[in-house]
Amino acid sequence: AQSVTQLGSHVSVSEGALVLLRCNYSSSVPPYLFWYVQYPNQGLQLLLKYTTGATLVKGINGFEAEFKKSETSFHLTKPSAHMSDAAEYFCAVSVSLQGAQKLVFGQGTRLTINP
Amino acid sequence: NAGVTQTPKFRVLKTGQSMTLLCAQDMNHEYMYWYRQDPGMGLRLIHYSVGEGTTAKGEVPDGYNVSRLKKQNFLLGLESAAPSQTSVYFCASSWGTSGLFDEQFFGPGTRLTVL
Repeated sequence: AQSVTQLGSHVSVSEGALVLLRCNYSSSVPPYLFWYVQYPNQGLQLLLKYTTGATLVKGINGFEAEFKKSETSFHLTKPSAHMSDAAEYFCAVSVSLQGAQKLVFGQGTRLTINP
Repeated sequence: NAGVTQTPKFRVLKTGQSMTLLCAQDMNHEYMYWYRQDPGMGLRLIHYSVGEGTTAKGEVPDGYNVSRLKKQNFLLGLESAAPSQTSVYFCASSWGTSGLFDEQFFGPGTRLTVL
C-alpha cells in the first residue's frame, strides 16, 4: 500500500533561514506527490505537485520540492523563511480509487517561524 | 467564486444525536470528497463521489452516510454521533479529468465535538 511519512511533527526556524520539511513515500508504482499547506483555521491549499518530468518542482510562495526516486523522498524547501509561512504542511501521494483519486496524507508538519 | 464552502463551521453534539454537514462548490467539479482530520494522523478519506447521484466508501466510512443529489452539493450525515467522531471535517472537490494528477480544492472545515 502506498504511504507517506513526514519526519518531524514540529519544525521551528528563524525568519530568513532555510526551511526544510521532509517527506518520504512508499509506493510500488511511480508516485504522484503533492504538498498542501494549511494556514490556521483554513482549509488545505495546494503548494505544488510532482507528476512526471522535471524532478525539481516549483510551487507558490517561493517553495520548491525535489523528487528523488533513489531516496523515495519529496522534501519541501524554501531558501528564506517569512513569518507568513507559519502553517501546517502536508505531504500526500495520489492513489487510484475505483476511478477516482484518493490522497494519502502524511501526519503533517507544523512550521513555526521565530522573529 | 466562493469555491468550496461548508456549513456549519462549528457544532457540538451529545452522544446519540444526529446531524448533517453540508458542502457546496461552485466550480462545476465532478468529484467531491469528505475527509476527517485528527491530530497526528493527517486527513483520512470518509466517503467520496465521482458524480451526481453516486457515492462510494473511503478509508473510514463507518458511522457516516453521504448523499449527492445535486452536482454542487455533498452531504455528510452522522446518524448517531459518538465521541470518536469528534474531529475536524473537510470537504474537497476536483474536476476529475486529470486522474491522479488532479488538484483537490478544500473547504474551510467544520469542527465537530461530540460529548
